[in-house]
Amino acid sequence: DAGVIQSPRHEVTEMGQEVTLRCKPISGHNSLFWYRQTMMRGLELLIYFNNNVPIDDSGMPEDRFSAKMPNASFSTLKIQPSEPRDSAVYFCASSLRSTMNTEAFFGQGTRLTVV
Amino acid sequence: DAKTTQPNSMESNEEEPVHLPCNHSTISGTDYIHWYRQLPSQGPEYVIHGLTSNVNNRMASLAIAEDRKSSTLILHRATLRDAAVYYCILAPKGSGNTGKLIFGQGTTLQVKP
Repeated sequence: DAGVIQSPRHEVTEMGQEVTLRCKPISGHNSLFWYRQTMMRGLELLIYFNNNVPIDDSGMPEDRFSAKMPNASFSTLKIQPSEPRDSAVYFCASSLRSTMNTEAFFGQGTRLTVV
Repeated sequence: DAKTTQPNSMESNEEEPVHLPCNHSTISGTDYIHWYRQLPSQGPEYVIHGLTSNVNNRMASLAIAEDRKSSTLILHRATLRDAAVYYCILAPKGSGNTGKLIFGQGTTLQVKP
């Protein structure tokens, strides 16, 4: 398996523009997580899905942020409109939900710069 | 969520063992202890996890105190590639949401040649 795949790897956009980040989880995994990493706040969980259903979006900073998972192999995180303070590295992770506390696998991240 | 405490940074010499400590005095009986690391410019990667007994895998060993209020990640022979930020994280047993991780600031490990 190629692992969790995120695209694009880098994104530079102007303030006010819409930004869409994409994630393909590992095949067979049924949980998907979106994280954001900044120097000031470290790694923060934004939202997660189980079986394509959003379970907890309490980490989403504002209504400008939205996430979807239309099927088991694809998820998007959208920011509309984007602001300079949204600049960060966004990570997607997937795991197999079970009672055995297995590991989560992270993608390489998307570095977003809003100017 | 139960909190962990780690030193901000540690140094090691290449090919020597490294012991990375983690305190989690408020751990509950159902919390697993997970360790992840983040290499420069990469996403976090799983290292090891355990509940009560010490654990070994190809990457590292995890030593868990008898009262479970602390644990130590052991890298047996540090290499330059082990330079990373190491995160100690508690995850409730049976929650199923193993990617729902609360990251602290972690320990930045420097490995000197």
